[in-house]
Amino acid sequence: KAGVTQTPRYLIKTRGQQVTLSCSPISGHRSVSWYQQTPGQGLQFLFEYFSETQRNKGNFPGRFSGRQFSNSRSEMNVSTLELGDSALYLCASSWTGGYGYTFGSGTRLTVV
Amino acid sequence: GQQVMQIPQYQHVQEGEDFTTYCNSSTTLSNIQWYKQRPGGHPVFLIQLVKSGEVKKQKRLTFQFGEAKKNSSLHITATQTTDVGTYFCAGPGGAYDKIIFGKGTRLHILP
Repeated sequence: KAGVTQTPRYLIKTRGQQVTLSCSPISGHRSVSWYQQTPGQGLQFLFEYFSETQRNKGNFPGRFSGRQFSNSRSEMNVSTLELGDSALYLCASSWTGGYGYTFGSGTRLTVV
Repeated sequence: GQQVMQIPQYQHVQEGEDFTTYCNSSTTLSNIQWYKQRPGGHPVFLIQLVKSGEVKKQKRLTFQFGEAKKNSSLHITATQTTDVGTYFCAGPGGAYDKIIFGKGTRLHILP
């Protein structure tokens, strides 16, 4: 079966711009979580969606937002980009959350 | 809030030597998960432990979950170059069991 698909794989944006990242989970998985990975901070939890509802939220500013559609696909938006937002953004899906995740390959965002 | 801590942060071993990484949670966990991330790759789920004192093996990898369900370890016997990568432990915490990751242990293998 198909894995978790994230698009695009790479992005270069300018400070102040906004960006939207997409994640298609494994078919049947209803929980989608987003993580930011940087060399110094490891995997930082952004938010989790389940059946179109945000169930959990990490400690990120309001510039980071997301949503989930009825087909479980999820999008993440970052507005007013800052240099420090440069990171690998990973999406992970599971049946219900709380158990083993399948990660996508990630979107590497570079803010210049 | 809940924290998951891993030690060591880095480990260099000669090929053929053993390797162990340790994970400690500030709270009791319903389960502990282990992931491996190869350089340039994404985390890949290795295993989940649920029971107190549980031990599971995958070929040269041995995973343990502590009796109090607050700590865990991953031991690799006779490391090979294919074991290179960062090993993360993770556990559910907070409402609806969001998964909290440790900062990982980066394993380097010296030929």
